[in-house]
Amino acid sequence: EVQLLESGGGLVQPGGSLRLSCAASGFTFINYAMTWVRQAPGKGLEWVSTIGAGGGSTYYADSVQGRFTIFRDNSRNTMSVQMDSLRTGDTAVYFCARGLLDTTSLDVFGYWGQGTLVIVSS
Amino acid sequence: EIVLTQSPATLSLSPGERATLSCRASQSVSSYLAWYQQKPGQAPRLLIYDASNRASGIPARFSGSGSGTDFTLTISSLGPEDSAVYFCQHRRNWPITFGQGTRLEIK
Repeated sequence: EVQLLESGGGLVQPGGSLRLSCAASGFTFINYAMTWVRQAPGKGLEWVSTIGAGGGSTYYADSVQGRFTIFRDNSRNTMSVQMDSLRTGDTAVYFCARGLLDTTSLDVFGYWGQGTLVIVSS
Repeated sequence: EIVLTQSPATLSLSPGERATLSCRASQSVSSYLAWYQQKPGQAPRLLIYDASNRASGIPARFSGSGSGTDFTLTISSLGPEDSAVYFCQHRRNWPITFGQGTRLEIK
């Protein structure tokens, strides 16, 4: 069974930093691109960042480009995102998601974690 | 960036009725369009991918159609459990984007 477990959320002041992690199990981690999707309170879904299966390719939404860094450790089946220069607009539940297909990073998200809440506030 | 516009914003139907949800793309996404269902407090669940392929475990009463810029999610016979927000998502190019969602209420 595919399982994705996020951790690292919490309250942080504007301008601060936070690192979120996603622990994966139940599948061959190195075969799949991994993604962060966020959802502000009461709002829709926003794609944040994707890292390719091998880790060599990374993609970011314009809203986080230059502030967030996605990375993965294929030996530990974990994916993380380092979030710097946080803004109040980054407040959201952050979901870790696995692509459905093992052939592309441009994918749909067949598996999701339960999410971790990040609140950016003074 | 490809903008996905969903309509209607809210849909209120009775059990047993058919629901038709629309997603329109600002430019062609070919068939690279997916649909998700999200219930309160839960993660989204993939229903349909590549316009018309049902994801594993999704009942046959959920179906998707369309190509290019116009797509439809149809739920053939509604049950109370279908009350949720439905999102579309494209994977034609970067950045991946989602529609703003359609809230489906079951009377």
